[in-house]
Amino acid sequence: QLQLQESGPGLVKTSETLSLTCTVFGGSISSYTYYWGWIRQPPGKGLEWIGTIYYSGSTYYNPSLKSRVTISVDTSKMQFSLNLNSVTAADTAVYYCARILRDSGYSASYGYVDLWGRGTLVTVSS
Amino acid sequence: QSVLTQPPSVSGAPGQRVTISCTGSSSNIGAGYDVHWYQQLPGTAPKLLIYGNNNRPSGVPDRFSGSKSGTSASLAITGLLAEDEADYYCQSYDSGLVGVFGGGTKLTVL
Repeated sequence: QLQLQESGPGLVKTSETLSLTCTVFGGSISSYTYYWGWIRQPPGKGLEWIGTIYYSGSTYYNPSLKSRVTISVDTSKMQFSLNLNSVTAADTAVYYCARILRDSGYSASYGYVDLWGRGTLVTVSS
Repeated sequence: QSVLTQPPSVSGAPGQRVTISCTGSSSNIGAGYDVHWYQQLPGTAPKLLIYGNNNRPSGVPDRFSGSKSGTSASLAITGLLAEDEADYYCQSYDSGLVGVFGGGTKLTVL
């Protein structure tokens, strides 16, 4: 059964870069059917879509974060990563990695998260 | 301010039916993108509840159902159980294939 696991520092200093990695266990990251993405949730607040990547490297970013976000993929390591630069306290959140159905023609729908990581809390503080 | 609008809270007694609305715009739900729903229990990752407007993943009880019309969608829960108490989020795509969420609705079972 495929699982996703986030890893990375739990504390990042203000103005520095937040870096997280998601490892895919039990399946292939090089799938025609899926995108791989990041979603975050500030404490006590709602969900925010950060962006997604296809195994080929194509990316789609939330316009509100696009200037600070980079998502990359390493198919040999079965990993994809998130870099968010110039962080502030507003970037403090639980960060989830996710598998998102792609419009591949093999599913009744697309664009939804069918598998989530457990999430990792990242705190931004000076 | 979330792109999709949900009521902050709804409540109902055990056994009753509740609905949660999700309102978008012409760039997301109204553009024809499907609406999906997630249930989030405290301290856990969200779980897919409804996909493609009205499809339930394996294991989700048929007490949960979804619908979509125009720029809005709804989640209905019938036969309310105490275990349904959770936060519920709607989600769709917006232009540029970027996901957008509602602000979340806290369901309280009275």
